[in-house]
Amino acid sequence: QGQLVQSGVEVTKPGASVKVSCKASDYSFVTHGIAWVRQAPGQGLEWMGWISGYDGKTDYSQKYQGRLTMTTDTSTSTAYLEVRSLTGDDTAVYYCARVMATVTLFRYEYMDVWGQGTTVIVSS
Amino acid sequence: QSVVTQSPSASGTPGQKVTISCSGSSSNFGRHYVYWYQHLPGTAPKLLISKNTQRPSGVPDRFSGSKSGTSASLTINGLRSGDEGDYHCAAWDDSVSAVVFGGGTKLTVL
Repeated sequence: QGQLVQSGVEVTKPGASVKVSCKASDYSFVTHGIAWVRQAPGQGLEWMGWISGYDGKTDYSQKYQGRLTMTTDTSTSTAYLEVRSLTGDDTAVYYCARVMATVTLFRYEYMDVWGQGTTVIVSS
Repeated sequence: QSVVTQSPSASGTPGQKVTISCSGSSSNFGRHYVYWYQHLPGTAPKLLISKNTQRPSGVPDRFSGSKSGTSASLTINGLRSGDEGDYHCAAWDDSVSAVVFGGGTKLTVL
């Protein structure tokens, strides 16, 4: 079935960076992707982008204008999301989700299994 | 602001039927499958409906999805208190090359 376990709460200051991890288990990491979705307080879900577990190709949402880096470590089946130049608007719960994809073509299909979420608080 | 419009709230009593609707556009719902995610308090979101109408393994048949043109609906039959939470529709959008979500519907079981 698959499981995703995320790292814990992060409290950080404006202007800093944060790196969230997402460890996958019970499925083949390299035949799927990992997406990142966030939910700010009182808001809906927001797409950030996804990374292929097969070759590390990425597709970022244009909204983030170069502030994101998504990476994977296939030796540990772990995906990482780094967000730079944080502001209070980045305060949110960040979720990773398994992407069903045609990884050899880097073609996104949909998300099925989700992580439990990582709360990131940006405050001075 | 979401490019997909979703009613912010819905409610019903146990045993009732509730329908949650989403309205998209030609660049998302009009061209791609719609997915529904259930997000219960304190839990990870869960895929509820895949490819407009399909229930993943383990999802009760009380839940059903439909799509017509650029609109989609999620119907819950035999409402239960455990169904209380947020429901999100989503689809790929060609105009922004990203997944777009509805704003989420908060379902209350009275």
